[in-house]
Amino acid sequence: DTVMTQSPGSLAVSLGERATINCESSQTVLYSSNNRNYLAWYQQKPGQPPKLLISWASTRESGVPDRFSGSGSGTDFTLTISSLQADDAAVYYCHQYYSIPFTFGGGTKVEIK
Amino acid sequence: EVQLVESGGGLVKPGGSLRLSCAASGFSFSDAWMNWVRQAPGKGLEWVGRIKTITDGGTADSAAPVKGRFTLSRDDSKNMLYLQMSSLKTEDTAVYYCLTVFETTGPFWGRGTTVTVSS
Repeated sequence: DTVMTQSPGSLAVSLGERATINCESSQTVLYSSNNRNYLAWYQQKPGQPPKLLISWASTRESGVPDRFSGSGSGTDFTLTISSLQADDAAVYYCHQYYSIPFTFGGGTKVEIK
Repeated sequence: EVQLVESGGGLVKPGGSLRLSCAASGFSFSDAWMNWVRQAPGKGLEWVGRIKTITDGGTADSAAPVKGRFTLSRDDSKNMLYLQMSSLKTEDTAVYYCLTVFETTGPFWGRGTTVTVSS
């Protein structure tokens, strides 16, 4: 199974500051035949389903603010919130859908400092 | 509009059974490999299983904690995905989501249905 190691487990960031979340996979999620990384990022608030922010490691979902960006390839990935807003307080997960079992990072709780 | 709508959740006693359904619309369901993912209260996300298209053999794979107890199936004539759960344990208490991956936009999730296993 591909283990997704997400860090940090939590972070507190001031409004307008940058938040960076890292995700490392134990195996590559880059499919060589199409050069795509099978890696997604989600935001989840209490009582709600995960909301897709980024797919294919760096493709922002329609309607997601451009302060959210994804980067990385192979086994190392980053979600960046460039200027934290109050509405961004949530838990964030990375997810590899390259192979089954699909696996997820343990989550990062982002709080407003 | 693409939609996945789960149903069938509820309260069940340990050892009992329950069948979850996922109604798909807005895309070619028969061409989609479908998954179930769950989330226990206050916990992270856990993949439950996947079923391939009939064209690709229609086979299902399940995660180790549910293997032999949970069965995935699909009815392409109704655009429905099912999860038959038996020998339920308290640790199966979770919100259950159905999920597919589109080659254009990536993962797409339903809103989930809640299963509570308690005496």
